[in-house]
Amino acid sequence: DIQMTQSPSSLSASVGDRVTITCRASQSISTYLNWYQQQPGKAPKLLMYAASSLQSGVPSRFSGSGSGTDFTLTISSLQPEDFATYYCQQSSTITFTFGPGTKVDV
Amino acid sequence: QVQLQESGPGLVKPSETLSLTCSVSGDSVSSYYWSWIRQTPGKGLEWIGNINYSGNSNYNPSLKSRITISVDTSKNQFSLRLSSVTAADTAVYYCARIMITFGGVHGMDVWGQGTTVTVSS
Repeated sequence: DIQMTQSPSSLSASVGDRVTITCRASQSISTYLNWYQQQPGKAPKLLMYAASSLQSGVPSRFSGSGSGTDFTLTISSLQPEDFATYYCQQSSTITFTFGPGTKVDV
Repeated sequence: QVQLQESGPGLVKPSETLSLTCSVSGDSVSSYYWSWIRQTPGKGLEWIGNINYSGNSNYNPSLKSRITISVDTSKNQFSLRLSSVTAADTAVYYCARIMITFGGVHGMDVWGQGTTVTVSS
């Protein structure tokens, strides 16, 4: 199985900050990497797919990069609605795996 | 607009079988691949398994011996059965649609609201 790790596990930031979250796969997954945002009590929301493709309706302050084993999600200017938990997920194999999550709070 | 709705018992006794259904509206279950995901209290997301319109399924290896995912095209829904449940299976269970493009299989782009299942006697 492909294992996913994320760093940091949590971070504190302020509105307007640039925030970067890292995701690492235990083996190469090409660009089959997706990012989700989850607000408390809500279902996850797909932000990015294929490592760097912005899902329809997602603000352009979100961006993704990487390939192989190392990936990043960047929020260029953090907004109040961006305080949430972020998960990466690989879809390189028929058995998906999620990262453990990164909580972004004040 | 595609919508997914999970349904099933909110309480299941230990050693029994958890059964959930995901009803799809606004799209055909025959057009996509579908997934079940769960989230234990205060923890992260765990992928359970996928199924396509023809019934081909893939399961999380850690749960594989206890899972059955099926699709009913006549009712436009798909289902999850998890046998021999324990307290560790207490979670919010989500159904979701898998996004597929010419580039391959990607993430889950449409999610149900989730349903809480508690395993307790």
